[in-house]
Amino acid sequence: DAGVTQSPTHLIKTRGQQVTLRCSPKSGHDTVSWYQQALGQGPQFIFQYYEEEERQRGNFPDRFSGHQFPNYSSELNVNALLLGDSALYLCASSFRAREEKLFFGSGTQLSVL
Amino acid sequence: RKEVEQDPGPFNVPEGATVAFNCTYSNSASQSFFWYRQDCRKEPKLLMSVYSSGNEDGRFTAQLNRASQYISLLIRDSKLSDSATYLCVVPGGGNKLTFGTGTQLKVEL
Repeated sequence: DAGVTQSPTHLIKTRGQQVTLRCSPKSGHDTVSWYQQALGQGPQFIFQYYEEEERQRGNFPDRFSGHQFPNYSSELNVNALLLGDSALYLCASSFRAREEKLFFGSGTQLSVL
Repeated sequence: RKEVEQDPGPFNVPEGATVAFNCTYSNSASQSFFWYRQDCRKEPKLLMSVYSSGNEDGRFTAQLNRASQYISLLIRDSKLSDSATYLCVVPGGGNKLTFGTGTQLKVEL
């Protein structure tokens, strides 16, 4: 039973570039949410996708966008990267959008130089 | 008051010690709470859920005080393997979880 998988594990970009991170939810799950975790901080909610639509969004600018595919996998896109976007990006999945118990992937470490 | 607030630590304790972490939250309407454990730069993993006054699982006890709006996590007989960051989490509806900054625990020989 595969858990939540994310790719890539590490990524280095420069300011102004664009990045796409990918996530496959745990088997049987249909809802994906994305979190950003800066060093020394707790994860911060970016947004949630269910039935291929963004259902909830945290306090993140429009530079952060996402997509969910019919197989429930998801992408997080960040445009015009800033140094402050350097963080661990975590994907979490659940069955149904209302579920509060989340299973997290091991994350993508993004460094913006 | 911050939505979720924790003492960042670190808490350095010897093996076998009992240690307690507190977490305060601002939303008095919150009904459920979680403690997650996170090892260095790895994914958070659910440790305990708290829906009523408390929950116990082996060496771990979580307690909820709704009047004072705080949640505590007690770890008895600490093991070296308990060294990690403990995140207090308050759901904001659906998948939107609000995490505290985490409390770092270091268990030493």
